[in-house]
Amino acid sequence: EDQVTQSPEALRLQEGESSSLNCSYTVSGLRGLFWYRQDPGKGPEFLFTLYSAGEEKEKERLKATLTKKESFLHITAPKPEDSATYLCAVQGGAQKLVFGQGTRLTINP
Amino acid sequence: KAGVTQTPRYLIKTRGQQVTLSCSPISGHRSVSWYQQTPGQGLQFLFEYFSETQRNKGNFPGRFSGRQFSNSRSEMNVSTLELGDSALYLCASSSGGVLGNTIYFGEGSWLTVV
Repeated sequence: EDQVTQSPEALRLQEGESSSLNCSYTVSGLRGLFWYRQDPGKGPEFLFTLYSAGEEKEKERLKATLTKKESFLHITAPKPEDSATYLCAVQGGAQKLVFGQGTRLTINP
Repeated sequence: KAGVTQTPRYLIKTRGQQVTLSCSPISGHRSVSWYQQTPGQGLQFLFEYFSETQRNKGNFPGRFSGRQFSNSRSEMNVSTLELGDSALYLCASSSGGVLGNTIYFGEGSWLTVV
């Protein structure tokens, strides 16, 4: 059974303090690893899809990386508007996503 | 380009009633999936439709059902509502290909069962 574990559950940073969020996964036949951002009361907003180990993608202050067992979402010099819950999900053999519980990120000004 | 549209956004139902939620995918997308999000269980997969056929189904009771129309719009239905069905129901759409398809979510329908 496909599984995703995200850590930490919650992270509080000062503005400008860089850090990383972790996503560990087990999946049979990875078709893609997805990162989403979710604000309170809203649907998940797509950030990245990674397909193979060694792949990296960047968007503004965010950079996602992938190994055979985990993915990292690096956030560089974060701003208060980066505060949100970050969700990791894997897509295996079926057309469905298996999500982790998310990391709740708070950036203090 | 319009995103994934879900209606209604908020609704309150009584135990034992049934509810129908609607989803319009991104234009050109043929795959529509439904997810349930609760504080305790997180995001859980309900089912996925592609070209009017259910391709995948999650571990939910038969009270949860769905369908997809020829224009790719989808509906999900929950019958005999229980208090535990209170959740955010999310619809997602993609092109449905095996690889390289990005999955986009709508804003969700908030269901409260009283």
